[in-house]
Amino acid sequence: DAGVIQSPRHEVTEMGQEVTLRCKPISGHNSLFWYRQTMMRGLELLIYFNNNVPIDDSGMPEDRFSAKMPNASFSTLKIQPSEPRDSAVYFCASSLDGPAIYGYTFGSGTRLTVV
Amino acid sequence: DQQVKQNSPSLSVQEGRISILNCDYTNSMFDYFLWYKKYPAEGPTFLISISSIKDKNEDGRFTVFLNKSAKHLSLHIVPSQPGDSAVYFCAASKSGANNLFFGTGTRLTVIP
Repeated sequence: DAGVIQSPRHEVTEMGQEVTLRCKPISGHNSLFWYRQTMMRGLELLIYFNNNVPIDDSGMPEDRFSAKMPNASFSTLKIQPSEPRDSAVYFCASSLDGPAIYGYTFGSGTRLTVV
Repeated sequence: DQQVKQNSPSLSVQEGRISILNCDYTNSMFDYFLWYKKYPAEGPTFLISISSIKDKNEDGRFTVFLNKSAKHLSLHIVPSQPGDSAVYFCAASKSGANNLFFGTGTRLTVIP
């Protein structure tokens, strides 16, 4: 299994531009999570999906952020318009349905820099 | 508000000695705790976990201790090896929930 695949690995964009981050979860996993890593807050949950349905998006910072999961094998996180404070590493993770006790499998992350 | 806290951003330990990483939580509803390890340019990987019905779980060189009354857990690595140098994240979850709450991480450096 190739694991959770994220693209791009690095993204540098100018303030005001639209940014789209992509994630392919592990086949058979039906929960998908988007996390953001910052020095101040560590890994914070932005949104998670179960069976392609958004369950909790309370972590999405503001309306500039949106996420979709059109099918079981693909998800996007979009920031429009992007701002310098959005600069962070964004991780996607997937898991089998059930409690979080089974742990997640994380992708390698997308390092976003907004200048 | 940060429900899982790792108050030490960094820790340096000599090779062969014990590394102790600490984690505190505020939500008494948490009943499952995990440690993740993260190398640069990689995603976090699951290391070890513990249920609230236990106070200790051991896996090779790694042992996690849970003190529910103090809402505190710790990860012990004995003996520490240079390959253990990484950022360690503590995480917690509630029964039936499908999301994890993470701390800010502790960067461990094992000095050869």
